[in-house]
Amino acid sequence: NAGVTQTPKFRILKIGQSMTLQCTQDMNHNYMYWYRQDPGMGLKLIYYSVGAGITDKGEVPNGYNVSRSTTEDFPLRLELAAPSQTSVYFCASTNRGRASDEQFFGPGTRLTVL
Amino acid sequence: AQSVSQHNHHVILSEAASLELGCNYSYGGTVNLFWYVQYPGQHLQLLLKYFSGDPLVKGIKGFEAEFIKSKFSFNLRKPSVQWSDTAEYFCAAPAGNKLTFGGGTRVLVKP
Repeated sequence: NAGVTQTPKFRILKIGQSMTLQCTQDMNHNYMYWYRQDPGMGLKLIYYSVGAGITDKGEVPNGYNVSRSTTEDFPLRLELAAPSQTSVYFCASTNRGRASDEQFFGPGTRLTVL
Repeated sequence: AQSVSQHNHHVILSEAASLELGCNYSYGGTVNLFWYVQYPGQHLQLLLKYFSGDPLVKGIKGFEAEFIKSKFSFNLRKPSVQWSDTAEYFCAAPAGNKLTFGGGTRVLVKP
């Protein structure tokens, strides 16, 4: 199992550009999550999905969009990149979303918006 | 809503020193708690978790954590750290089917 994979690893965007961060998991997990990590702020939830076709907003969804057309993939879209979106982005998944379930994380995408 | 706070943002230690990282949570009902670790350049991985039973939880790499319900705390400990424990440590608690993370503590272990 590759687990949770993310592409790209690094990206530099200009203000106003758009891009899609890819996330794929091969564990047949139902629940998938996107977080952003900023220094001293921990991880903040952007969007999550409880299954194919179902997505919901997290704590900091503004400026982002997601889709979940398959169980495996959960891409995150930035439509008009802004400097405030400079961050490290992590995708995670878990099987049943129970309170005691461990989340499995991808390696992250470091995004810089200039 | 559940919130999680970690007391220290940065900790610097020498090898063989003892480590204790503080974590407090806000919700007083049934509690599940996690410690995740992020080694330099790597993704987050689970260090240990508490969901019921013995309040003293053993994790990987010699770490342990104690759940103290009366203090709303879940502090992480290691009796003797190694240089390889240099990492960022996150405490987390579930909020429904999501996780709420603390701000993280960066630990630097000097050789």
